[in-house]
Amino acid sequence: EVQLVESGGGLVQPGGSLRLSCAASGFTFSGYSMNWVRQAPGKGLEWLSFIRSSGSPIYYADSVKGRFAISRDDAKSTLYLQMNSLRAEDTGIYYCARDRDFMTDALDIWGPGTMVTVSS
Amino acid sequence: DIQVTQSPSSLPASVGDRVTITCRTSQSISNYLNWYQQQPGKAPKLLIYSATNLQSGVPSRFSGSGSETDFTLTISSLQPEDFATYYCQQSYTTPPRTFGQGTKLEIK
Repeated sequence: EVQLVESGGGLVQPGGSLRLSCAASGFTFSGYSMNWVRQAPGKGLEWLSFIRSSGSPIYYADSVKGRFAISRDDAKSTLYLQMNSLRAEDTGIYYCARDRDFMTDALDIWGPGTMVTVSS
Repeated sequence: DIQVTQSPSSLPASVGDRVTITCRTSQSISNYLNWYQQQPGKAPKLLIYSATNLQSGVPSRFSGSGSETDFTLTISSLQPEDFATYYCQQSYTTPPRTFGQGTKLEIK
């Protein structure tokens, strides 16, 4: 079964750091570009970051540029999101999502999400 | 950045209705428009990619149309499991891959 499973969420104080992981299974992870998307409580979807299957290029939304870093370990079939200088507005559910293919850039596989709460 | 405007934000409807949700972009994106469904407490699910293509496993009552700046998602005959929130997303430019604000399909 093709699936993604996020982990690493939790409660962190403002200014703190957290590293999210996304474990992939059921497909050849190294062949796919990946993304992180978040959803604040009761709000819509916000695309955060992209990493090409080859590891480059990497892109970020302005809201997280300079604070978050996406990376991947193809040997472990795992995607990461290092989050630094966290703010209250970073609170939400964080999803990893797979690019369907190079041509469409649609997000065809999503993990169930991991909750991040930034609060003192 | 490309702006994505989705309407309506809320749509009351009944089982069996035909409904349409609209997505408009601030500049031409050809057919780089995707539609997702999100059930409460669940991750989003891809319904339509490249404006008109049905993702594998998605019922044929869902369809997409449009190009350039104006797009629609149509559900031909609403089923109980279709009451959810729907999002469009442009994938013409990265970054950012902007989502629309969402449309909550509610039981009338």
